[in-house]
Amino acid sequence: EPEVTQTPSHQVTQMGQEVILRCVPISNHLYFYWYRQILGQKVEFLVSFYNNEISEKSEIFDDQFSVERPDGSNFTLKIRSTKLEDSAMYFCATSRTGSHNSPLHFGNGTRLTVT
Amino acid sequence: GENVEQHPSTLSVQEGDSAVIKCTYSDSASNYFPWYKQELGKGSQLIIDIRSNVGEKKDQRIAVTLNKTAKHFSLHITETQPEDSAVYFCATARANNAGNMLTFGGGTRLMVKP
Repeated sequence: EPEVTQTPSHQVTQMGQEVILRCVPISNHLYFYWYRQILGQKVEFLVSFYNNEISEKSEIFDDQFSVERPDGSNFTLKIRSTKLEDSAMYFCATSRTGSHNSPLHFGNGTRLTVT
Repeated sequence: GENVEQHPSTLSVQEGDSAVIKCTYSDSASNYFPWYKQELGKGSQLIIDIRSNVGEKKDQRIAVTLNKTAKHFSLHITETQPEDSAVYFCATARANNAGNMLTFGGGTRLMVKP
C-alpha cells in the first residue's frame, strides 16, 4: 500500500536555527497537511495545502512557519528560527481529495528536538 | 473552536475481552468522526470513521457509535488481540471540501494482555 514518507525521522537543532522537514506524498494525492504533537499533548492541525497554496492554517502557524512544494514531489515545512517550544513530533498527511470520503494518510513523523 | 475530550487515557484489557473508548466534542457543526490507530514508531492509520447521518458503523471486530444530540462517539473493539495494542485517537471535522482539518482527542493507550 502506498505510504507517506517523512524525512528525517529525528532532527536535533539549536534554538534560532532554521529547519526543513520533508514529506513525500502518495502520488495521486492532491491535499497535503502538517500536524504536530508536543509531548504529552494532543495532535494539532497546523496547515493544509492544495494547488500550490495554503488552504487553511491554524493560529499556531505563524510567520515562523512556511510550506511549499518546490519540485512537485516533496512537500516541506520550514521553521525559520526555531524555539524551544517547537520541539514536537511533526506529522505530514495527505489525501486524494479534500472531502471526508478521502481520508488522511499519515507519515511516521519527524521528531524535532530544539536545544 | 472545537474541543475533543477522550477517555480513558490508558486502557488495559485481557485478550478476548472488549475495549471501549469514548470521545466527546463541543462543536455541533462537526459531522465527520474518524478513529486512528498509531502503532509504536508509525504514523496514524484510519481504522474506521462515521458521518453524522449514521448512528453506528461496524467493520468486523471494530464498531463506532455516534450520539449527535449528546455530542459523543465511541469506539468498540470486540475479541481484542495483542496486535490491537496501540494508541487510538478520535477526531472530528466539519463538512469542508477544502480539506480535512481534524481536531484530535488526547489519545488512549490500549494494552491487550495475552
